[in-house]
Amino acid sequence: DAGVIQSPRHEVTEMGQEVTLRCKPISGHDYLFWYRQTMMRGLELLIYFNNNVPIDDSGMPEDRFSAKMPNASFSTLKIQPSEPRDSAVYFCASRREGGGNTEAFFGQGTRLTVV
Amino acid sequence: DQQVKQNSPSLSVQEGRISILNCDYTNSMFDYFLWYKKYPAEGPTFLISISSIKDKNEDGRFTVFLNKSAKHLSLHIVPSQPGDSAVYFCAASARRGGATNKLIFGTGTLLAVQP
Repeated sequence: DAGVIQSPRHEVTEMGQEVTLRCKPISGHDYLFWYRQTMMRGLELLIYFNNNVPIDDSGMPEDRFSAKMPNASFSTLKIQPSEPRDSAVYFCASRREGGGNTEAFFGQGTRLTVV
Repeated sequence: DQQVKQNSPSLSVQEGRISILNCDYTNSMFDYFLWYKKYPAEGPTFLISISSIKDKNEDGRFTVFLNKSAKHLSLHIVPSQPGDSAVYFCAASARRGGATNKLIFGTGTLLAVQP
């Protein structure tokens, strides 16, 4: 398996523009997580899905952020409108259900810069 | 409210010596703890984990110790190697009683192993 695949790797956009980040989880994994990494807060959980259903979106900072998982192999994180303070590295991760092992596998991340 | 805390943002160690990375948590519901390692421009990768029913788990040069009464865990790397230089994230989850499956991460510690 190629692992968790995120696109794009880098995104530079102007304030006010819509940004869409994409993620393909590992095949067969039941959980998908979106994290944001900043210096101040480390890896911050934004939202996670189980079997394509959003379970907990309490980490989504504002209504400007939305996430979808239309099927088991694809998820998007959208920011509309984007602001400079949204600049960060966004990670997608996935893991399999059960077995007592809650190890999650991460993608390489999308570095977002909003100018 | 940071439920998982890594109070040392950085640590420098000589090659061959022991590296000790520390992590504290506040949520007594956490029962599974993980360490992830992150190189620049890559996603975090799983390193080692420990369940709350244990107080030690060892994997090669890496050992994790858990002190539940103090809500503290540590990662020991011995001997340290230059290739261990990376950011180390501590993470925790609560799996009992149908609790949520999300991983809560600390802010990370940058380890630099000097040759």
